[in-house]
Amino acid sequence: KQEVTQIPAALSVPEGENLVLNCSFTDSAIYNLQWFRQDPGKGLTSLLLIQSSQREQTSGRLNASLDKSSGRSTLYIAASQPGDSATYLCAPRGAGSYQLTFGKGTKLSVIP
Amino acid sequence: EAQVTQNPRYLITVTGKKLTVTCSQNMNHEYMSWYRQDPGLGLRQIYYSMNVEVTDKGDVPEGYKVSRKEKRNFPLILESPSPNQTSLYFCASSLGAGTIYEQYFGPGTRLTVT
Repeated sequence: KQEVTQIPAALSVPEGENLVLNCSFTDSAIYNLQWFRQDPGKGLTSLLLIQSSQREQTSGRLNASLDKSSGRSTLYIAASQPGDSATYLCAPRGAGSYQLTFGKGTKLSVIP
Repeated sequence: EAQVTQNPRYLITVTGKKLTVTCSQNMNHEYMSWYRQDPGLGLRQIYYSMNVEVTDKGDVPEGYKVSRKEKRNFPLILESPSPNQTSLYFCASSLGAGTIYEQYFGPGTRLTVT
């Protein structure tokens, strides 16, 4: 059964810093991996999707990488802003399945 | 606007009183699913549906029912709610099975069972 770990569980950085969020998963047989952000008490917003055949994907200040063989993905946020404060979740989708398996997330606080 | 909608957004009920949480998507998506989110446990899948009339259990299906009579709707039914079903519930949908298809989530339904 897929298990997903996100490190660190919480992170506080000053505005303007670049930062990396880590995600590791135990089963490398995945179709793709999505990164989401969740604001307190709110729904999930999809940030990036990386297909299993891709190494990285970029959207604005966000860059996600995927190393399927080692079971790792990272989310790089450039020039962080207070509006980036949220919980970030990674979720690989198992091969042959629609199911996403979620990590417990990294809670990011960007201090002005 | 393309979206997944859920109703109600907030619900407080009592043990044993049947309830339904509705989920609807306007994107003609094949796949729909339900998750619950609990502190310290993360998001866990309850049920999913790959198409109309096709549903299957996720990781935590006990105490829940679903039906998929129309492509756009996927209601979650709690026949006899109990306090351990107090949670934040999310509906999700996806266009298809390919690796390029991301999943979209609804805004969530916060359920409290007393």
